[in-house]
Amino acid sequence: IAGITQAPTSQILAAGRRMTLRCTQDMRHNAMYWYRQDLGLGLRLIHYSNTAGTTGKGEVPDGYSVSRANTDDFPLTLASAVPSQTSVYFCASSPGTGIGYTFGSGTRLTVV
Amino acid sequence: GENVEQHPSTLSVQEGDSAVIKCTYSDSASNYFPWYKQELGKGPQLIIDIRSNVGEKKDQRIAVTLNKTAKHFSLHITETQPEDSAVYFCAASIFTGNQFYFGTGTSLTVIP
Repeated sequence: IAGITQAPTSQILAAGRRMTLRCTQDMRHNAMYWYRQDLGLGLRLIHYSNTAGTTGKGEVPDGYSVSRANTDDFPLTLASAVPSQTSVYFCASSPGTGIGYTFGSGTRLTVV
Repeated sequence: GENVEQHPSTLSVQEGDSAVIKCTYSDSASNYFPWYKQELGKGPQLIIDIRSNVGEKKDQRIAVTLNKTAKHFSLHITETQPEDSAVYFCAASIFTGNQFYFGTGTSLTVIP
């Protein structure tokens, strides 16, 4: 089934640890995104990539990094996790900029 | 940047009644307005979208209206069913831009 796969589905992480959230899409979409979802704040963009080899910062990029080595994969790395990064993280993709997203099922991350 | 406000935050309706969710946006350059439905434990799913050159769009029981002058857009669900119960998010973006700005969500409950 075509779509977006995120892993892990949930994780409890000690503060200060490094963590990579994985995202893979099989729709050959050019653009990919990482959002975090927090209660009362909706969805906020962390980083995006318009095409393989390029990335950009979103609304809340601090503490996060991304890479886009190929079309299908867009991992999100927390170099040194802090409790404020406790959230649900969604990866999304779209055929091009400004077109409705397809979202993954999310990764629930708890930093303790 | 863009600011999207969404109301109400919670909404309960009887099965068969209509539900209306309203969003306002601040940036007159925004020209693409998608709506997403998020069921518990899942990622948001695009249900309908509208571009600024269109005032209304319908898809079966769902419709979206846009008032560019007042900078607001609304989701209308008619003949609601229990399976319509979910959290609904509106968003605004510039069609050639990299970021969607999301509202904070409306939790819709359809009472059988």
